[in-house]
Formats: sequence, structure tokens, C-alpha cells
Amino acid sequence: AQKVTQAQTEISVVEKEDVTLDCVYETRDTTYYLFWYKQPPSGELVFLIRRNSFDEQNEISGRYSWNFQKSTSSFNFTITASQVVDSAVYFCALSVYNNDMRFGAGTRLTVKP
Amino acid sequence: EAGVAQSPRYKIIEKRQSVAFWCNPISGHATLYWYQQILGQGPKLLIQFQNNGVVDDSQLPKDRFSAERLKGVDSTLKIQPAKLEDSAVYLCASTLSTGRGNEQYFGPGTRLTVT
Repeated sequence: AQKVTQAQTEISVVEKEDVTLDCVYETRDTTYYLFWYKQPPSGELVFLIRRNSFDEQNEISGRYSWNFQKSTSSFNFTITASQVVDSAVYFCALSVYNNDMRFGAGTRLTVKP
Repeated sequence: EAGVAQSPRYKIIEKRQSVAFWCNPISGHATLYWYQQILGQGPKLLIQFQNNGVVDDSQLPKDRFSAERLKGVDSTLKIQPAKLEDSAVYLCASTLSTGRGNEQYFGPGTRLTVT
């Protein structure tokens, strides 16, 4: 079975702090994809990153970085120097087979000025 | 490029009533998904279409939920009769194809409240 666990329900930080959102996944497939989506208060899910199971390279995009470790089945997301606009719910998701995407429960990030 | 369109954005109904949601995917996207997102949870797939055929509806409560995509473009999701536990946001998403790993583009969702 496929499962994604985001143990952190809510995180609150002060602007300019770094914050890491944790994601642990379970699957028996050797080929799979991992995603991070952002859901701002408007409700629309916004794609942030995709990573396939054969590519363990970490990725950095501006203030965002992702750490993929197959050994621990984790795909963590770090925001450096957080800003108020980063406040949102962040979802980690796992895709196998016909792109049936399994989402975690989400982590609500609040960045205070 | 226009995104995924959904309507209505909000709907309030009483239990046992019926309701329908509409989704128009991004032009050219063959695969369409309906998700249910209950407050405080991640989206859960209800049904997946490839053109006008159903790929996966294993998590659709078929006794009350139905969906169609007759011409392979826009889609409707219906609930009849609604229950209190159906209160949720219903999200529509689309991708170019069913291939594993394709990024899904999401619409703004329809927030359903059943009283």
C-alpha cells in the first residue's frame, strides 16, 4: 500500500527563520514519484517540485530546498529565510501506477512578521 | 493558458438533497481527476478519467456519488443524496496523460457544506 505521513500538523515561525517540513512515505514500488504542493488560503494547490525514485539529488530553488533520502524513505522540504507569504498548508504526495496521487495530511505553516 | 475551471465555488445544501459540480480541465489534457478534501486532511482521489473512460473509481462511494466525462473534456460530479460527512472541498485536477509522475494541475475547488 502507498502511504504518506506528515507528522507535523502545524508549525509557527517568525519571519526570516529557516523551517523544515518533514515527509515520510511508504511504497513497495521501485518506481515512484514524490511531490510537494502548496495550498494557500485561496485553496488552489500549487505544484512546487517533483522527484522520481531514481534521482536522489537534492534540489534548491531560491529559498526552497528538498532533501530526498531513499534509505529513510523521506522527502523533506526546507524554506530558508521564511517570509509571511510562505504561510500556507504544504502537502507531500506520492504517485505510482496511473498517477494515482496519495497525499499526506499536510503541514500548516504560519510565518509571523 | 487557462487553468482548471470549477463551478460553483461554494454550495450549501441540506442532507438528502442532491448537488452537482462542474470541471473544465486545461485544454488538451486527457486525464481528469476528482478529489475530496475534508477539512484538515489531504486530498483523496475519488475518480480518474482518461478521455471519456474511467481509469480508477475504486474510492468513489458509488451508492451516492457519480461522475461522467461524456465528451472527454469537461466533467460533472454528482452526489445524491448528500450526507453530513460529504461536507468537504471537491477538487478537480488534470494532466496531459495518465503517465506516472505527470504533474497534476488543480482547480480552485468547490466547497460543499451539508447541513
